[in-house]
Amino acid sequence: KQEVTQIPAALSVPEGENLVLNCSFTDSAIYNLQWFRQDPGKGLTSLLLIQSSQREQTSGRLNASLDKSSGRSTLYIAASQPGDSATYLCAPLTGANNLFFGTGTRLTVIP
Amino acid sequence: EAGVAQSPRYKIIEKRQSVAFWCNPISGHATLYWYQQILGQGPKLLIQFQNNGVVDDSQLPKDRFSAERLKGVDSTLKIQPAKLEDSAVYLCASSSRGPGNTIYFGEGSWLTVV
Repeated sequence: KQEVTQIPAALSVPEGENLVLNCSFTDSAIYNLQWFRQDPGKGLTSLLLIQSSQREQTSGRLNASLDKSSGRSTLYIAASQPGDSATYLCAPLTGANNLFFGTGTRLTVIP
Repeated sequence: EAGVAQSPRYKIIEKRQSVAFWCNPISGHATLYWYQQILGQGPKLLIQFQNNGVVDDSQLPKDRFSAERLKGVDSTLKIQPAKLEDSAVYLCASSSRGPGNTIYFGEGSWLTVV
């Protein structure tokens, strides 16, 4: 069964800093990996999807990398803003076409 | 394009009562999921439908939870009788048919059992 770990569990940074969120998973037989954002009291917003054949995916200030063989992904956020404060979840997609989630990283960006 | 719609957004019930949640997926999406997210944890898959057939319900507590997707579009998730530990947000999601497609989530239905 897929196990997903996200480190750190919580992170607090001053505005403008670049930061990295880490995700590791135990089963490398995945189709892709999605990074989501969750605001308090809200559902999940898909940020980036990396196919298993890709190494990186970028959207604006976000860059996600995937090392499938070692079971790792990172989400890089450049020039962080207070509006980036949220919980970030990574989720690899398995052959059964469903997502396994970690417990997330709770990010606070201090103005 | 309309997103995944869920209702009700919030529900408070007493233990042993029943509750039902409704989900309307993105138009044309064949795959529909129900996830349970307990506070402080990541979402956990309860059930996955492909059209109106069940693909995976291995983590659905079938003694109290049931779900259906009649006509392969809307879906309902029912809990009867509810327990305190069922307090969670219930997230519905959908995706196009086929592996590897982006999965889109609704805003969730927040359940508190008292």
